[in-house]
Amino acid sequence: KAGVTQTPRYLIKTRGQQVTLSCSPISGHRSVSWYQQTPGQGLQFLFEYFSETQRNKGNFPGRFSGRQFSNSRSEMNVSTLELGDSALYLCASSLAGGGQGSYNEQFFGPGTRLTVL
Amino acid sequence: QQQVKQSPQSLIVQKGGISIINCAYENTAFDYFPWYQQFPGKGPALLIAIRPDVSEKKEGRFTISFNKSAKQFSLHIMDSQPGDSATYFCAASLGLIQGAQKLVFGQGTRLTINP
Repeated sequence: KAGVTQTPRYLIKTRGQQVTLSCSPISGHRSVSWYQQTPGQGLQFLFEYFSETQRNKGNFPGRFSGRQFSNSRSEMNVSTLELGDSALYLCASSLAGGGQGSYNEQFFGPGTRLTVL
Repeated sequence: QQQVKQSPQSLIVQKGGISIINCAYENTAFDYFPWYQQFPGKGPALLIAIRPDVSEKKEGRFTISFNKSAKQFSLHIMDSQPGDSATYFCAASLGLIQGAQKLVFGQGTRLTINP
């Protein structure tokens, strides 16, 4: 079974630009979560999507947004990039049926390394 | 209150020794505590997880010890091997309230096993 795939793996942008990252979950997984990983702040939860709906959200500004498609693939978008947005963005998927009272394992992709100049 | 504090930041252990990483939390509503292992260039991978209704869980060389009253949990790696050299993250979530997908991570421990 193929794992979580993320594209692109590396990206260089300049301040003020916007960027879209893509995530394909493991086949059959309907929950997709996004995390930001930086040396200073560690791993921080961005948001989670299930059945095309945002179910959980972290404490990030509105410049960070996401969406999920009917095939469970997800994209996240960052607008008006800032230097501090340079990070590894990780996508994780878990089995259908998550939400309250669920403890399904999350499987992480390799991440997209975003550098903002 | 949503934080998970992890220590130490880095750890060097001799091959065959026991590696111990500790985490502490404040929010008593957390009810799912996984440990992740991350190698350079890879995403985190789940090692082992525990719910607060048990005090210990063992899988192979990896053991989680959980102290609910102290709000602490730890990872023990027995017979540590050079292949265990990686960064380890503890995490917690409000599974019953929000589902386990929203993880709060500790800051990570870089473990080096010397041959």
